[in-house]
Amino acid sequence: AQTVTQSQPEMSVQEAETVTLSCTYDTSESDYYLFWYKQPPSRQMILVIRQEAYKQQNATENRFSVNFQKAAKSFSLKISDSQLGDAAMYFCAFKKSSGDKLTFGTGTRLAVRP
Amino acid sequence: EADIYQTPRYLVIGTGKKITLECSQTMGHDKMYWYQQDPGMELHLIHYSYGVNSTEKGDLSSESTVSRIRTEHFPLTLESARPSHTSQYLCASTMSGYEAEQYFGPGTRLTVT
Repeated sequence: AQTVTQSQPEMSVQEAETVTLSCTYDTSESDYYLFWYKQPPSRQMILVIRQEAYKQQNATENRFSVNFQKAAKSFSLKISDSQLGDAAMYFCAFKKSSGDKLTFGTGTRLAVRP
Repeated sequence: EADIYQTPRYLVIGTGKKITLECSQTMGHDKMYWYQQDPGMELHLIHYSYGVNSTEKGDLSSESTVSRIRTEHFPLTLESARPSHTSQYLCASTMSGYEAEQYFGPGTRLTVT
C-alpha cells in the first residue's frame, strides 16, 4: 500500500514571495505519477502539476514547480511570486502507473498575506 | 473548470431521511469516484466505478450505495441519514490512461441533524 505524508498542516507566505510545500511518500512501485491538487475555499479541486516518476526533469507550470527526489521519495511544490489567489488547501497525491486510484496526503492549508 | 457537476451543493437534513447526492459529467469519462472529505480536509475514497453497471467499494467503509446506469451519471444514496454522515462528498471522474488526471466536482456539503 502507498502512503503520502504532508507534514505541514498550515503554511503562510507574503504576497510576491516564494513558498515550498513538502510531501513525502512511501511505495514499492517503480512506475507511478505524483500530483499536486489545489482546493480553493468553496471551489472545485483542480490539478496544479503532475510528475511522472520515470522523468528525471522536474515538472514546471508557470509559477509552480516541483522538486522530485525519487530516491528520497520526496515531492515538494514551490510556488513563486505568490498571489492572493494561491490561498487554498494543497493536496499531494500518488497514483500507480498501472492503476487509477489516487492516494492523497492530508493537505496543507496555504495562506497568502497581502 | 471541469465539466463535472454535483447537486445539491449544500444539504441539511434530519436523521433517518433518505438522500441521493447527484454527480454528472459531460466529458465522456469512463471512471468515476466518490470521496468523503473530513472536517480536517483529508480525502477518503468510498466508491468507484469503471463503467456502466460497474461499482466497487473504496478504501473507507461507507453505509452509502452507488449506481452507474449511464456513463455520465454516478449518484450516491444514503438510505437512512445519521449525524455521523455529516461531511463533504466529492465526486471525480477520469478517462482510462496512465497519465489521466482526475477531475473533481464542486462537492456536496451534507449536514445531518
